[in-house]
Amino acid sequence: QSALTQPASVSGSPGQSITISCTGTNSDVGGYNYVSWFQQHPGKAPKLMIYDVSNRPSGVSNRFSASKSGNTASLTISGLQAEDEADYYCSSYTSISTWVFGGGTKLTVL
Amino acid sequence: EMQLVESGGGLVQPGGSLRLSCAASGFTSSGYGMTWVRQAPGKGLEWVSSISGGGRATYYADSVKGRFTISRDNTKNTLYLQMNSLRAEDTAVYYCAKSSGWPFYFDYWGQGTLVTVSS
Repeated sequence: QSALTQPASVSGSPGQSITISCTGTNSDVGGYNYVSWFQQHPGKAPKLMIYDVSNRPSGVSNRFSASKSGNTASLTISGLQAEDEADYYCSSYTSISTWVFGGGTKLTVL
Repeated sequence: EMQLVESGGGLVQPGGSLRLSCAASGFTSSGYGMTWVRQAPGKGLEWVSSISGGGRATYYADSVKGRFTISRDNTKNTLYLQMNSLRAEDTAVYYCAKSSGWPFYFDYWGQGTLVTVSS
């Protein structure tokens, strides 16, 4: 199972919005509504931000939203804040009952 | 307060074995699946293995199938990963994650334990 494709880096200024894409295939992202997004700060454990394409766990800011179209899922962060600077990973359930992650995207807040 | 604490990492020679543990507290672990995810130094996340709440269903990445075994002892609220025939490419921080719903989503993670495979 190949890793999902994410841009290596994105950047934005405080207050702006950014979108991170996550592209897979019909066997993962496109085939199921089971995409998750994780935030990871340096040296820390990943934190679930979105599950099942667009659901936010309790306690996650509503500045984080996500969607999916075809084989590509997207995470949008609005009202960018300095604390949002981190690595972001998508993941998806697959047709062979495994899970696959994206390569990760480094978000820089300018 | 929910907590996951991994242990058992360390330095091991290629071909060797290691058993990781993940102690859960603050929730009824038997009601949830559990998952191991690893991260090689400076690299991204890689799903390794998952297990159902009762322990009957297990799932493995191709990269570890036949070498790693996931198990759990719900009487001790502890998850395990037995790693055999270790290779240099298994070097990583190994995280355990509470896994909810079906298919699982990984909703709470431990802080990880480092496994280094080197001679």
